[in-house]
Amino acid sequence: QKEVEQNSGPLSVPEGAIASLNCTYSDRGSQSFFWYRQYSGKSPELIMFIYSNGDKEDGRFTAQLNKASQYVSLLIRDSQPSDSATYLCALPGEGGSQGNLIFGKGTKLSVKP
Amino acid sequence: DTEVTQTPKHLVMGMTNKKSLKCEQHMGHRAMYWYKQKAKKPPELMFVYSYEKLSINESVPSRFSPECPNSSLLNLHLHALQPEDSALYLCASSFGLGLAGTDTQYFGPGTRLTVL
Repeated sequence: QKEVEQNSGPLSVPEGAIASLNCTYSDRGSQSFFWYRQYSGKSPELIMFIYSNGDKEDGRFTAQLNKASQYVSLLIRDSQPSDSATYLCALPGEGGSQGNLIFGKGTKLSVKP
Repeated sequence: DTEVTQTPKHLVMGMTNKKSLKCEQHMGHRAMYWYKQKAKKPPELMFVYSYEKLSINESVPSRFSPECPNSSLLNLHLHALQPEDSALYLCASSFGLGLAGTDTQYFGPGTRLTVL
């Protein structure tokens, strides 16, 4: 049974700081990873998809994947109060299909003005 | 346009009622999903349709009945629900079920369901 672990937080950072969100996973064979952002009462919104080892940057967001250590992280530079949300890490479940994404429990981020 | 729409936004129903949730996308996606999300929990997969055929059923009770009339529409029929079924029901879609970035899932806004 694949598992995804995230620190539930809350993680509190001041505005303008770098927020670092981490996720570890149990299955060494996992190949692709997703970060979703979910505002309270809203649906998840895809932030990043990462497949290869190393870093992937998109604007203020950087996803980092280390398959040897089985962790994936999301860095948010110049954090803004509007980044305050729950961030969900996810990976494909059994069979490797994206049809059954397994989500972590999510990390709640609070960016203080 | 990466929009998945869901209706209704809110639904209150009694345990003896029959209701339906609707989901629609016009992105040409061939995979569609139903998730259930309780407060402070991650989404839990319920059903997956691929090319209008049920691909995954995560052992969901029969009081939830999915239907995929065509590639753009997905329904979830509800009957004899229990109060513990109250949750946010999310629909999602993707081009396919592969591992490519293009197969990532896009979520609709959800239906907030309350069962009395």
